[in-house]
Amino acid sequence: AQSVTQLGSHVSVSEGALVLLRCNYSSSVPPYLFWYVQYPNQGLQLLLKYTSAATLVKGINGFEAEFKKSETSFHLTKPSAHMSDAAEYFCAVTPGNDYKLSFGAGTTVTVRA
Amino acid sequence: KAGVTQTPRYLIKTRGQQVTLSCSPISGHRSVSWYQQTPGQGLQFLFEYFSETQRNKGNFPGRFSGRQFSNSRSEMNVSTLELGDSALYLCASSTGQVPYTFGSGTRLTVV
Repeated sequence: AQSVTQLGSHVSVSEGALVLLRCNYSSSVPPYLFWYVQYPNQGLQLLLKYTSAATLVKGINGFEAEFKKSETSFHLTKPSAHMSDAAEYFCAVTPGNDYKLSFGAGTTVTVRA
Repeated sequence: KAGVTQTPRYLIKTRGQQVTLSCSPISGHRSVSWYQQTPGQGLQFLFEYFSETQRNKGNFPGRFSGRQFSNSRSEMNVSTLELGDSALYLCASSTGQVPYTFGSGTRLTVV
């Protein structure tokens, strides 16, 4: 079985500061990993995905994540936060190319002016 | 290219009623998945269909069911609604492999 733990349910950053959202996973087989973002009253938008290619994955809106097998982690970063980054972020895992995603509990990001 | 379309966006139902939600996937996508999102339980997988066949099912009671049509559109049905079924129901589509593209969801309120 696979699972995801997101450390920190709320993160507050200043505009222009580094955004770091932590995600640790467990999977019995090599995983596919994803980060999604959700704005209020909207669905989930894919930020980036890891599917066993390069371990450093670049996504949309300046986000990137690094897959570290030894640490079973897939942390999301953005060098400089923008007000528009305020949203809820979800890390998700699926084993191999399974048909379902297991999501973390989510991290809400607020950006201070 | 049109995205995943879910209808209706908002729905209010009474306990004991049943409800049907609809999802139209991205053109060419044959896989449709459904998820329930609540503040207490987070995002939970309901089921996934590919070419009209259910390939995977989550841990939900039998009151939750779904189906997929030959044009890949999918519906999910919840019978005998309970207050705890109030949630955002999200549909996602794919070609059959990751990644999944999500719709904007249907917000169901049970009163």
